Amino acid sequence: EAQVTQNPRYLITVTGKKLTVTCSQNMNHEYMSWYRQDPGLGLRQIYYSMNVEVTDKGDVPEGYKVSRKEKRNFPLILESPSPNQTSLYFCASSPVDRNSPLHFGNGTRLTVT
Amino acid sequence: QKEVEQDPGPLSVPEGAIVSLNCTYSNSAFQYFMWYRQYSRKGPELLMYTYSSGNKEDGRFTAQVDKSSKYISLFIRDSQPSDSATYLCATGLGTSYGKLTFGQGTILTVHP
Repeated sequence: EAQVTQNPRYLITVTGKKLTVTCSQNMNHEYMSWYRQDPGLGLRQIYYSMNVEVTDKGDVPEGYKVSRKEKRNFPLILESPSPNQTSLYFCASSPVDRNSPLHFGNGTRLTVT
Repeated sequence: QKEVEQDPGPLSVPEGAIVSLNCTYSNSAFQYFMWYRQYSRKGPELLMYTYSSGNKEDGRFTAQVDKSSKYISLFIRDSQPSDSATYLCATGLGTSYGKLTFGQGTILTVHP
């Protein structure tokens, strides 16, 4: 089954404790992206990647890192999480073609205390 | 000012009603426009996609874009309880996805 898999689905952590949210897709898509979703603010893009070793900032990159060493994986790293990073995070992928839809994962709900 | 503005609702309608969901955008360089549907506890899924002004129809759904007034709409005819979800508009630049900008999302409930 074609899918975008995020792990974990739920994560509660404390301020300053480094964490990684993994994202993997099995559709051989070039494009991958991370979003956070907050009430009243909608989906905001954090980082995106057009292909292996090619990443770029979205609208809200501060406090986040990403890497794209393999085509299928695009982990989101929070080196020193803070409470304002409590949010619902989505990973998405697609071919690099505006006629193709973005496929989203089912989200990771992160709480930073 | 946000680049894409969307009325967050919530919107509650009876089954069979025609629903109109709307977004405005500020950047005239946006070239393509999408509507996503998001069910509770799920990621968004693409409903409609267009890159020109005018209407695009798919079953009970019609997407409408007016580039001159920077206005995009989604119409749902004969709405069903299964249409209850959050609807997000999104816009983008260029010929590939790159940077996408989403509206805040409108929560729709269709009651039997």
